[in-house]
Amino acid sequence: EAQVTQNPRYLITVTGKKLTVTCSQNMNHEYMSWYRQDPGLGLRQIYYSMNVEVTDKGDVPEGYKVSRKEKRNFPLILESPSPNQTSLYFCASSLVHLAGVAETQYFGPGTRLLVL
Amino acid sequence: AQTVTQSQPEMSVQEAETVTLSCTYDTSESDYYLFWYKQPPSRQMILVIRQEAYKQQNATENRFSVNFQKAAKSFSLKISDSQLGDAAMYFCAYRSPTGANSKLTFGKGITLSVRP
Repeated sequence: EAQVTQNPRYLITVTGKKLTVTCSQNMNHEYMSWYRQDPGLGLRQIYYSMNVEVTDKGDVPEGYKVSRKEKRNFPLILESPSPNQTSLYFCASSLVHLAGVAETQYFGPGTRLLVL
Repeated sequence: AQTVTQSQPEMSVQEAETVTLSCTYDTSESDYYLFWYKQPPSRQMILVIRQEAYKQQNATENRFSVNFQKAAKSFSLKISDSQLGDAAMYFCAYRSPTGANSKLTFGKGITLSVRP
């Protein structure tokens, strides 16, 4: 089954304790992206990647890191989490055509993070 | 920068009736994609319908259809024969067709409730 998976689905942590949220897709997609969802703000992009070893900042990258060592994986790293990073996080992926990124992005199930 | 506005935070509809969710956007681009995503209580992001700006014909997917008014920069979603399972948060989203980053720009969302 074609899908985007995220782990963990739920996480409670404390301020300053490094954590990683994994994202994996089995559709051979080049483009991957992380969004965070906050009440009243919709979803906002954190980081994206056009292909292996190619990553760039989105709209709200502060406090986050990413890496893209393999095509299928795009982990989100919080080196020193703070309470304002409490949010619902989504990973998404898409094909990239010659003309650019394909129109439809596929979303993972979401990771709910609480930073105390 | 593109912006997406969903001015109604909540709406309610009687089961089997029709409801229209509003969305407006601002862009200087002539070609782009517009989407409606559904987010049920499970928090999964589900693509409902997609519209390419260069197509004059409004997109339709079963009970879901859009009213795309390019000059007015309006993109409303009509749900016909509403069902209890339609209760969810709905997000309108904009995406540029090309470029290094094809992020989705989301509105703040609207919560739809369906009365039995």
